[in-house]
Amino acid sequence: AQTVTQSQPEMSVQEAETVTLSCTYDTSESNYYLFWYKQPPSRQMILVIRQEAYKQQNATENRFSVNFQKAAKSFSLKISDSQLGDTAMYFCAFGFSSGSRLTFGEGTQLTVNP
Amino acid sequence: KAGVTQTPRYLIKTRGQQVTLSCSPISGHRSVSWYQQTPGQGLQFLFEYFSETQRNKGNFPGRFSGRQFSNSRSEMNVSTLELGDSALYLCASSLVLAGEETQYFGPGTRLLVL
Repeated sequence: AQTVTQSQPEMSVQEAETVTLSCTYDTSESNYYLFWYKQPPSRQMILVIRQEAYKQQNATENRFSVNFQKAAKSFSLKISDSQLGDTAMYFCAFGFSSGSRLTFGEGTQLTVNP
Repeated sequence: KAGVTQTPRYLIKTRGQQVTLSCSPISGHRSVSWYQQTPGQGLQFLFEYFSETQRNKGNFPGRFSGRQFSNSRSEMNVSTLELGDSALYLCASSLVLAGEETQYFGPGTRLLVL
């Protein structure tokens, strides 16, 4: 079975600064996907970024980027130029290439302070 | 394109009753997955439907069931409600094409069992 671990229950950062959220996972599969979702107070789950395991290049989406270390089974999210709207619960998730079933970490509550 | 929609958004039931939740996926998406989110257990996978067939199932009792219609809309049903069923129920849809396995979530249905 797959497991996803987020070891930082809470983090805070000053507006405009950079913050990194950690995620580790465990799987015996070689073909899979990793995702970061954010869940603001509205509870809407929003996709932030995704990474295919077969790609060596780290994914980037505007201010969001990942550091994917396949051998170490590590998948951290870096948020640059943090904005107040980034305040949310962030979940790391693992999925198979066939999609459909995601395994989530426990979440990291990120607060961006003005 | 319209996003994933879920109805109702809020629901209050009493123990022993049953409840039906509805999910309409993004147009063209054929896979619908359901997740339960609680403070204690986090996000847990319930089941996934693809082309009107249950393709994956999580570790939940038989009181939890679902179905998918020919237009890809999905319903989940919980019978004989228990206090522990109080949760946010999230529905997600995906295209299920190679390279397009990302799941997009609806706003959720918040169920309170009294």
